[in-house]
Amino acid sequence: GENVEQHPSTLSVQEGDSAVIKCTYSDSASNYFPWYKQELGKRPQLIIDIRSNVGEKKDQRIAVTLNKTAKHFSLHITETQPEDSAVYFCAATWWNFNKFYFGSGTKLNVKP
Amino acid sequence: GAGVSQSPSNKVTEKGKDVELRCDPISGHTALYWYRQSLGQGLEFLIYFQGNSAPDKSGLPSDRFSAERTGGSVSTLTIQRTQQEDSAVYLCASSPLTGENEKLFFGSGTQLSVL
Repeated sequence: GENVEQHPSTLSVQEGDSAVIKCTYSDSASNYFPWYKQELGKRPQLIIDIRSNVGEKKDQRIAVTLNKTAKHFSLHITETQPEDSAVYFCAATWWNFNKFYFGSGTKLNVKP
Repeated sequence: GAGVSQSPSNKVTEKGKDVELRCDPISGHTALYWYRQSLGQGLEFLIYFQGNSAPDKSGLPSDRFSAERTGGSVSTLTIQRTQQEDSAVYLCASSPLTGENEKLFFGSGTQLSVL
């Protein structure tokens, strides 16, 4: 089965700095890579996703890059704000979406 | 326009007791997933239902765990003879899985504590 590894487990940045979270996956058949944000005590919510037919996707301050050859993808948050503080999960799945394999999560702390 | 609803939100039980966790997905969503989130850990896949297909139970950790989905809607996750290691947040998610929409909509979870 698929194995998704996520690094770092915790990340602390100063407000305004950039944050990068990296994930690797093992199954070359995976073709859909979403990122979920879970604020303290709340449910995970999708913030951005990318498919294997593109290398990069941006949405305002967040972007995701995908390197299919190396089987890794990354989340980039620019101009971080305190409200970005949360746990971020990457995931990978493939065509029938029967399982989303999640990384172990990154706790991001943005210091004001 | 209700989201995914889970009940109870918190459940405290004694070791050895059975528990039932309920998930009410968004109407019309054909896919339903159960995940387990232990403290400080990631999301562990448990089981997946899609339409009328046989469920994918490959993530269930032991035969004490079972789940069903009635009428393609509400799902119940049952844990028999609970153990302390079963303590976790159990998250349910549903998805329409149509076209370009594979987004998972999560419920707020059931916090299970086994004493």
